[in-house]
Amino acid sequence: EAQVTQNPRYLITVTGKKLTVTCSQNMNHEYMSWYRQDPGLGLRQIYYSMNVEVTDKGDVPEGYKVSRKEKRNFPLILESPSPNQTSLYFCASSLSSQRYNYGYTFGSGTRLTVV
Amino acid sequence: KNQVEQSPQSLIILEGKNCTLQCNYTVSPFSNLRWYKQDTGRGPVSLTIMTFSENTKSNGRYTATLDADTKQSSLHITASQLSDSASYICVVMEGNQAGTALIFGKGTTLSVSS
Repeated sequence: EAQVTQNPRYLITVTGKKLTVTCSQNMNHEYMSWYRQDPGLGLRQIYYSMNVEVTDKGDVPEGYKVSRKEKRNFPLILESPSPNQTSLYFCASSLSSQRYNYGYTFGSGTRLTVV
Repeated sequence: KNQVEQSPQSLIILEGKNCTLQCNYTVSPFSNLRWYKQDTGRGPVSLTIMTFSENTKSNGRYTATLDADTKQSSLHITASQLSDSASYICVVMEGNQAGTALIFGKGTTLSVSS
């Protein structure tokens, strides 16, 4: 089944403890992206990757890191999480961001709570 | 500034009734407009994608319309079901051959009651 898999689904952590949220897709998509969703704000892009070893900042990159060492994986790293990073996170992928009508497939989400 | 505005913010309807959700956008250059359905705590799922030349696109009981001149779109849901209870997000793709980006609306929360 074609899908984007995120892990974990739920995570509670303490301030300052490094964590990684994994994202993997099995569709050979070039483009991958991370979003956070907060009440009343909609989805906001954190980082994106056009292809392997190519990453760039989105609208809200502060406090986050990403890497794209292989095509299928795009982990989101929080080096020192803070309570304002408590949010619902989504990973998404698309065949290419260069073509207009390709669909985006979203993962099921990771609900992160930082205390 | 590129923006996507949706209305109403929330809506409650009885099962079996129809409803229409609105989306206004100021995005340039415009590439396409998408409607997504998001169940609580789950990832968005695509319903329709329309380019500027498409006026209407249907997906089962969901029908999206697009007026590129007035920069407005609507999503009409026919004969609503309890499973239609979700957030509906209007997303406009900004871009051209150099690259694209998605501009998200804040969504309309639909509750269908029996």
